[in-house]
Amino acid sequence: KQEVTQIPAALSVPEGENLVLNCSFTDSAIYNLQWFRQDPGKGLTSLLLIQSSQREQTSGRLNASLDKSSGRSTLYIAASQPGDSATYLCAVHYNQGGKLIFGQGTELSVKP
Amino acid sequence: GAVVSQHPSWVICKSGTSVKIECRSLDFQATTMFWYRQFPKQSLMLMATSNEGSKATYEQGVEKDKFLINHASLTLSTLTVTSAHPEDSSFYICSARGASWGPKNIQYFGAGTRLSVL
Repeated sequence: KQEVTQIPAALSVPEGENLVLNCSFTDSAIYNLQWFRQDPGKGLTSLLLIQSSQREQTSGRLNASLDKSSGRSTLYIAASQPGDSATYLCAVHYNQGGKLIFGQGTELSVKP
Repeated sequence: GAVVSQHPSWVICKSGTSVKIECRSLDFQATTMFWYRQFPKQSLMLMATSNEGSKATYEQGVEKDKFLINHASLTLSTLTVTSAHPEDSSFYICSARGASWGPKNIQYFGAGTRLSVL
């Protein structure tokens, strides 16, 4: 069964800290992996997309890595800010009708 | 990036009534649309996948007679929750994907609809 797991479920850090969110998946035959941000009661904002042939992607203070052999991805957030507070979701795209399989999310709180 | 509009953003209805949620791709043709459900503090669970002009494919455990999906055009899919009950209260999110297949063809998400059934 294809599953995606995110650890930790919740994380609270002081402003300015660098932090890492983890995502693991059980089947390494992925097409791509996406990291999303979701604010309370809102839809999803795509942050980064990593193709199966790539090892990392960067956008501003965000860096996502992908290690297919170990079934892991990390989202690195540098110099965290209170505005980064949200739930971060990892989703894996397999070749099964193109559906995304989501992790449970990590709820991040950055304290000023 | 591509824009997907979902309407309404919030709906309250009485138990036993039906509610329709619309999902529109505004600037691209969405050959495939997906409907997700999200309970508080939980992740998104795929309910069904719909391809334009054909019947939706429902995930295991999702009642197709309860959640009617129509994808009659390349820019519009609708989800109708029939005879809604309080346990159907949830956050529903749609996404849309264009025609070309491959790793770069991603889903674009709507802003979600919060359904409250009284």
